[in-house]
Amino acid sequence: DGGITQSPKYLFRKEGQNVTLSCEQNLNHDAMYWYRQDPGQGLRLIYYSQIVNDFQKGDIAEGYSVSREKKESFPLTVTSAQKNPTAFYLCASIGQETGRYEQYFGPGTRLTVT
Amino acid sequence: DAKTTQPPSMDCAEGRAANLPCNHSTISGNEYVYWYRQIHSQGPQYIIHGLKNNETNEMASLIITEDRKSSTLILPHATLRDTAVYYCIVRVKGRNTGNQFYFGTGTSLTVIP
Repeated sequence: DGGITQSPKYLFRKEGQNVTLSCEQNLNHDAMYWYRQDPGQGLRLIYYSQIVNDFQKGDIAEGYSVSREKKESFPLTVTSAQKNPTAFYLCASIGQETGRYEQYFGPGTRLTVT
Repeated sequence: DAKTTQPPSMDCAEGRAANLPCNHSTISGNEYVYWYRQIHSQGPQYIIHGLKNNETNEMASLIITEDRKSSTLILPHATLRDTAVYYCIVRVKGRNTGNQFYFGTGTSLTVIP
């Protein structure tokens, strides 16, 4: 089955630690995205990547870092500099072949930092 | 500033049409409107999108006003499984920076038996 996987589903960390969230897709999509969702809020863009070895900051990139060494993978690191890291994190990819630019989302990772 | 605004919640009777409004008064001419829905703690799912013409697919219809400042998502015969948060989104394509999607805060739709 083609799709996007995020692991783990729940993640707990102590304050001051960096943590890396995994996102993998086997849809052969070029573009990948990371969003953050807080309770009762919409999704806010953290980083996105159009192609391997390239990425751009979204609206709330401070305290986060990404890499895109492979087409299939777009890991997100939440650094200790992120002031409020506890949130639901969603990864998405889009295929541009059809021109529809439909985003396919993973199941999300819920990060709790105490 | 938010690119889209939506009412926070709505109710709809099962079997009736659900009409979900969205304002996007600052939308530019080449920016598309998308609708997604999210069932609790899952990833959002695509419903429909459009630029300026009305669109219909097997899930819903999208009505965009002539001035493109607002749109309405119509679920023609709402079922209990349509209970979810519905997001109105604007897709902005940068010249060299690809596509960015700006989510509103969403409308929580409750379908009532």
